[in-house]
Amino acid sequence: GAVVSQHPSRVICKSGTSVKIECRSLDFQATTMFWYRQFPKKSLMLMATSNEGSKATYEQGVEKDKFLINHASLTLSTLTVTSAHPEDSSFYICSARDDGIMGEQFFGPGTRLTVL
Amino acid sequence: AQSVTQLGSHVSVSEGALVLLRCNYSSSVPPYLFWYVQYPNQGLQLLLKYTTGATLVKGINGFEAEFKKSETSFHLTKPSAHMSDAAEYFCAVSAPRGNTPLVFGKGTRLSVIA
Repeated sequence: GAVVSQHPSRVICKSGTSVKIECRSLDFQATTMFWYRQFPKKSLMLMATSNEGSKATYEQGVEKDKFLINHASLTLSTLTVTSAHPEDSSFYICSARDDGIMGEQFFGPGTRLTVL
Repeated sequence: AQSVTQLGSHVSVSEGALVLLRCNYSSSVPPYLFWYVQYPNQGLQLLLKYTTGATLVKGINGFEAEFKKSETSFHLTKPSAHMSDAAEYFCAVSAPRGNTPLVFGKGTRLSVIA
């Protein structure tokens, strides 16, 4: 089946630093990828839609200058948390929509970010 | 616009008992519906999905769900709970076309008691 990887799986950083999270579709092309954020014991909240070759579309309330998204190729999207603060600590999950299968997204394993 | 309501944030069943997790949706277009399972500190795993065709959908690990348009429901069931079924379950809806994201319910935590 389709596989989506995320790297790193876990990262701890100091307040004020930037962290980059990669999301890759390993065996399919994904024009569209999505970035979600999950707070402890909460559901997934869509942060932004990442489109290959164009600017990401951010959900209301998500700071685009803080959460930089780059969809450089049909298999890679990156989320950079700039000037991270403790309140940015969360579980970040990406998903990739297979261009060949309508309606289904495949999820990455998630990245646990802890900002000290 | 689409939305999902999962009734019951926490469901507890005995091992071997029926599992029933409720999901109701709202959608202005014919929906695609999904159930995902999440184990602690892991990503989401697709249990099953409904797109078109047969309204009773069978998924992995013995789970199934039935799409009932008249009730706008997509409840998840399993005849006999196993200890390994203890996890968080999310119902989700999406539009059938276009680059639309999934809209998730708030999740239901399933506990299985020995």
